[in-house]
Amino acid sequence: AQSVTQLGSHVSVSEGALVLLRCNYSSSVPPYLFWYVQYPNQGLQLLLKYTSAATLVKGINGFEAEFKKSETSFHLTKPSAHMSDAAEYFCAVSRRSFGNEKLTFGTGTRLTIIP
Amino acid sequence: NAGVTQTPKFRILKIGQSMTLQCAQDMNHNYMYWYRQDPGMGLKLIYYSVGAGITDKGEVPNGYNVSRSTTEDFPLRLELAAPSQTSVYFCASSESLLQGDTIYFGEGSWLTVV
Repeated sequence: AQSVTQLGSHVSVSEGALVLLRCNYSSSVPPYLFWYVQYPNQGLQLLLKYTSAATLVKGINGFEAEFKKSETSFHLTKPSAHMSDAAEYFCAVSRRSFGNEKLTFGTGTRLTIIP
Repeated sequence: NAGVTQTPKFRILKIGQSMTLQCAQDMNHNYMYWYRQDPGMGLKLIYYSVGAGITDKGEVPNGYNVSRSTTEDFPLRLELAAPSQTSVYFCASSESLLQGDTIYFGEGSWLTVV
C-alpha cells in the first residue's frame, strides 16, 4: 500500500522568509509524487510533479521540491514567501504500476503568511 | 478556458433527500473523477470513469452513484442524503489514466446535510 504523510497541518512564515512544507511517502515501488495547491474556495491546482526524471523539480510560482529516496521525502520549498502563497498544500503519491485512480493524497498543510 | 465546471457551488440538503451534482469538462478528457474533501482528511476518491459508459468505484463509493453518458459530463448522485455526506465535492478530469498525468480540478461544491 502507498501513503503520504504531511508533517504539520498548519505552517506560518513571515513574508520574505523560506517556505518549507514537509512530505514523506511510503511506497513499495518507485513512486510518482505531486504537490497540489488549493487557494480559498477553489479547486486543486498542480504545483509540480516528480516522475523519475530530475530529482529536483521546479514548479510554478517559484516553488520546487526535491525527491530524496533515502529519506522517502518530497519536501516543498520556496526561498521567499509572498502573501499570495497563503493556501492549502497537498502532497500526493501514486505507484508507477497504477494509474491516477490510485492517487493518494495527504491531509494537507495550511500555509499562512505573516506580513 | 472553462476547464472543469461544477454546479451547484453550495447546497443544503435535508436528511433523506436526493440530489445530483453536475460536472462538465470541455477538454475532451476521457478520464473523470469525483472526490470528497473533509477537514483534516485530504481527498478521497468516490468514483471515476475511463470513458463514456464506463465507471468504477473509488475508495469511498457508498451512498453515491454516477453515470457517464457523454465524454463531457459526469454527474454524481446522492441518494438518501446523510449527515456523513456533508463535505466538499470536487470533480476532476485528466487526459489519460497514466500515472503522473496531471489531474484538473473543478472549483468544488459545498454540500451540507442537516
